[in-house]
Parts: sequence; C-alpha cells; structure tokens
Amino acid sequence: GAVVSQHPSRVICKSGTSVKIECRSLDFQATTMFWYRQFPKQSLMLMATSNEGSKATYEQGVEKDKFLINHASLTLSTLTVTSAHPEDSSFYICSASSGGDYYEQYFGPGTRLTVT
Amino acid sequence: AQTVTQSQPEMSVQEAETVTLSCTYDTSESDYYLFWYKQPPSRQMILVIRQEAYKQQNATENRFSVNFQKAAKSFSLKISDSQLGDAAMYFCAYRRVLWTGNQFYFGTGTSLTVIP
Repeated sequence: GAVVSQHPSRVICKSGTSVKIECRSLDFQATTMFWYRQFPKQSLMLMATSNEGSKATYEQGVEKDKFLINHASLTLSTLTVTSAHPEDSSFYICSASSGGDYYEQYFGPGTRLTVT
Repeated sequence: AQTVTQSQPEMSVQEAETVTLSCTYDTSESDYYLFWYKQPPSRQMILVIRQEAYKQQNATENRFSVNFQKAAKSFSLKISDSQLGDAAMYFCAYRRVLWTGNQFYFGTGTSLTVIP
C-alpha cells in the first residue's frame, strides 16, 4: 500500500510556542489530506480536510486560527499548532488520499505532541 | 456529521475462536463506504476491510468478514480463527463519497484482547 510519513514522531514544546507537524505522501500524489486528533483510548476526531492549493475545511469546533493547515503540494501538508497550551497535548494523525477508485485513505504513523 | 457507534468498548476472544465486533451508523446518504481499521499499540492505523454501500455482497478478506445490513445501518466485523496478532483497537469508519466531502468518521473503538 501507499506510504504516508509524519515528522516529527514526538515533540515536546513549551506553552505559548508554536509547533509544526509535517505529513508527506511518499509514493503517490495526495489530492486530499486529513488531520485527526486522538486522545488516549479514544477515537480519531477529524479536525480538517485539505485539498492541494486551497484552504482547509475545518470541522465544527476546531479553531482554524489555532490549527493552521497548509497543503502546498501534492505530497506535503503541514499542521501548525499556534500558541500551544497543555490542553493541545494529544496524538495527531494525518491521512492522505489520491482519489483513486476506492478513495482509500492512507494513514501516517502519528505525532505525539506534549505541551509543558 | 455522520455518527458511528461501537457499543462494545472491550471484547475478548480465545485464540483460534471467532469474535464479532458490532458497529452501527447514522446517515441520510444512500451512497457511502464503510471500513474497519485496526490500531495496534504502535498507533499505526491499518485497513482491515472495506465495504461499498451499493454492494449487497458482504466483503471478506481472509479471516475477516463483515455483515453489512444497509437498512439496519449495521456493519459488524467477524474475525475467524483469532490470532494473538489480532489484539488491537478496532475502529469502524464511515466515509462519505468524494463529491460530498470524502471525510471519514470513526466510531469510538473496540479494544480486542486475544487470550492464548
């Protein structure tokens, strides 16, 4: 299957700083990328959908000014958590879709964010 | 947003036995896709099986099969001949078709324990 990478896998930052998480599709062109948040022992919550070259569509309740998403190319999307606070600590997962026959989504391995 | 419900937070099965995980969903759409994903301790999401709503035939993938009841909005996963490696968190997911957004919505998950 297609491979999606995320970087970094773990990051610790201080409260008030910003942190950027990268999501890359390594062997296919991702027309759409998705960002999820997962709390411990809970489900994945869709945060936003981004299409290459256009603004991301955020789910209800997700602050677009806090979680900046950029999908500048067909292989890269970034999520920037601005002015991070301890409550932003979570596991963030991206997925990518090429829009093929099954519109399959391929998931990245996730990024553990800890805000101190 | 569509809602996906997994009523079994935890399940256990003896090795080599069969277990069924339940999933129901709520939607007004007639065309969609359903998926079961596995999330082992590594947190990497792994596709187990998928079902197109327009297909009446239940999907099968080796030891994994589904019972798709469209009218009842039910989509259960049967794991036959359970193996120790099947132990993981299992998520049922609903995906809208491309022209309506292509978003995934996940259930709350079922933690499966396989007893040797």
